[in-house]
Amino acid sequence: QSALTQPASVSGSPGQSITISCTGTSSDVGGYDFVSWYQQHPGKAPKLLIYEVTNRPSGVSNRFSGSKSGNTASLTISGLQGEDEADYYCFSYRTSATLLFGGGTKLTV
Amino acid sequence: EVQLVESGGGLVQRGGSLRLSCAASGFNFRIYSMQWVRQAPGKGLEWVAYMTSDERTIYHADSVKGRFTISRDNAKNLVFLQMNSLRAEDSAMYYCARSVQFGLDVWGPGTTVTVSS
Repeated sequence: QSALTQPASVSGSPGQSITISCTGTSSDVGGYDFVSWYQQHPGKAPKLLIYEVTNRPSGVSNRFSGSKSGNTASLTISGLQGEDEADYYCFSYRTSATLLFGGGTKLTV
Repeated sequence: EVQLVESGGGLVQRGGSLRLSCAASGFNFRIYSMQWVRQAPGKGLEWVAYMTSDERTIYHADSVKGRFTISRDNAKNLVFLQMNSLRAEDSAMYYCARSVQFGLDVWGPGTTVTVSS
């Protein structure tokens, strides 16, 4: 099961906006709206940021937003803060009873 | 407080078995699907297994199919991961997570599995 494709790293300055892409196929990202995004700080469990492509759980900052176009989903973080420095993962349902993560993106602020 | 706590990890020899448990509290466990996710040291997240609340739908990753089995006990608010024929590449932190429309909204702190060769 090949992972979804994410950039290995992205960087930005405080206050800027960045976007992390997650590219799959029509069998996963492009075929279903079951795409979610997670933030993971070192030594911690992941935290849900976005579910069903665009929905934000209560308690998650509105600086985080999700979208999808074709086979690529995206996570945008606006107004970058130092605490946003972490690893980010996308996750999607795939046809044939499979779920899969992206390879992860390290964000440097 | 909504909480998941994993247990059962440890050191095991190659070819051996372990049974991980995940205790849920603070929410109506029996109506939620549950998943297991793992992370090898220094690596990314890897999905392992999924089970619906009624146990009628079960998925396992190809990398563990035939060796690992997810199960649950709704009366005791527990979800399990039976791991057999363990390999060195199964060494990882194992997380259980609550699943809502395949999104993982609550995570446990994880339990570490180390397979020695």
